[in-house]
Amino acid sequence: DVKVTQSSRYLVKRTGEKVFLECVQDMDHENMFWYRQDPGLGLRLIYFSYDVKMKEKGDIPEGYSVSREKKERFSLILESASTNQTSMYLCATALPTGGNQPQHFGDGTRLSIL
Amino acid sequence: AQKVTQAQTEISVVEKEDVTLDCVYETRDTTYYLFWYKQPPSGELVFLIRRNSFDEQNEISGRYSWNFQKSTSSFNFTITASQVVDSAVYFCALSEAQRGSYIPTFGRGTSLIVHP
Repeated sequence: DVKVTQSSRYLVKRTGEKVFLECVQDMDHENMFWYRQDPGLGLRLIYFSYDVKMKEKGDIPEGYSVSREKKERFSLILESASTNQTSMYLCATALPTGGNQPQHFGDGTRLSIL
Repeated sequence: AQKVTQAQTEISVVEKEDVTLDCVYETRDTTYYLFWYKQPPSGELVFLIRRNSFDEQNEISGRYSWNFQKSTSSFNFTITASQVVDSAVYFCALSEAQRGSYIPTFGRGTSLIVHP
C-alpha cells in the first residue's frame, strides 16, 4: 500500500511567519499534489509536480510555493503566512499513466494562522 | 461553472436507509475518468472507484453501487442499507487532459450523516 505521510496533523503559526508543510511518500510515484480543503469549497489544487524539480501551478497558487528536491518529498511553503491561509492542507500522490490512476492522500494538516 | 457538481451539500439518513449521492460533470474530452473518494472524520481521502469514459457499465461492490450515464453526464453513487460507518464526506472527481496532463478536478463534496 502507498503511504503518504504529512509531517504534522495540526499546526499553529503566526501571521507573517514562513511555514513549511512536508509530504513524504514511499511508493515511488512521479506525481505529487498539494490541495487545500475549505468548507463548502471542496479540494482546490495549489501546486503539483510530475518529477523532481518540476512544478506546475494549480488553481490557487498565490501566496504559496513548492519544492521537490527528491522524488519522495514534496514541500509546500507559505512565504508569509496570512490568516486567510488557515485551512486543511492535503498532499496526494499518483502514478503518471494518463489520468486513470487514483490519487493517494495523506491524513492532512490542519493549519491555523493567528 | 463548476466542472464537477455535487448539488447535495449534506444528506442525513437513518441507518438502513438507501441513499444516493449525485455527481454531474462537464467536459469536452472524449477520454476522461471519473472517481469517487470517501473522507471519514479522520481526514484521509480514500479511493472508492474509477470509471473511464468508454465504460458505462454500472458497478456494484457490496452495499455500494455506481451508475454512470454519459447521456446525462452523471456518475451517481448509491449506498444500500446505510450504516453509521458510512458517515463521511464523499467527493466525486473528474480527470481530463488539461495543461498537457490529467489533473483531477474535485466536486465540493457531499457530507453524509447516518444516524443510528
